[in-house]
Amino acid sequence: GNSVTQMEGPVTLSEEAFLTINCTYTATGYPSLFWYVQYPGEGLQLLLKATKADDKGSNKGFEATYRKETTSFHLEKGSVQVSDSAVYFCALTKNRDDKIIFGKGTRLHILP
Amino acid sequence: EPEVTQTPSHQVTQMGQEVILRCVPISNHLYFYWYRQILGQKVEFLVSFYNNEISEKSEIFDDQFSVERPDGSNFTLKIRSTKLEDSAMYFCASSLNSGEKLFFGSGTQLSVL
Repeated sequence: GNSVTQMEGPVTLSEEAFLTINCTYTATGYPSLFWYVQYPGEGLQLLLKATKADDKGSNKGFEATYRKETTSFHLEKGSVQVSDSAVYFCALTKNRDDKIIFGKGTRLHILP
Repeated sequence: EPEVTQTPSHQVTQMGQEVILRCVPISNHLYFYWYRQILGQKVEFLVSFYNNEISEKSEIFDDQFSVERPDGSNFTLKIRSTKLEDSAMYFCASSLNSGEKLFFGSGTQLSVL
């Protein structure tokens, strides 16, 4: 079935460090891919998405590129801030009417 | 920005008791969802709801679970007789149209003792 695997956390970085959170997926066809973020005490929020191969989603300095050849959608940011501390979830939907399938989430701690 | 509201934020109950988790979706949204996350595991889909009926449910959503939209603003998840393994964070979500961006609540942490 369809699934998402993302790197285990927690990930701890210093402010201004480069961030990569790995995500790979298993799905037939061409799923849409997402990164959601959950800040402390808040609900999950859509961070970025990509709907077809080679698309790059970006928002708030974060980027992820839909790589069909490696079935990956790794999240990157060039210079993280303390305010980026949160839990990040990689997710997919198979088509417009399908439910979202989430990964386990990766907790990110940014130290000042 | 409009938001999805969930209450309570924490719920502690005894095994075998009934619990009702409450959600107020965004007012003009038409599609409603419940997800849950057991500690250390994936966020799992439970059920989706549209036009006053369940449109899809997962294997987790057995006869012990039910959902209701009693008054046009609330969307509730009821667990009839809680089990220890129901302990999880339960997230409500809503969207304007199917397949569009989901807006999530901040979750209800359910602890079954």
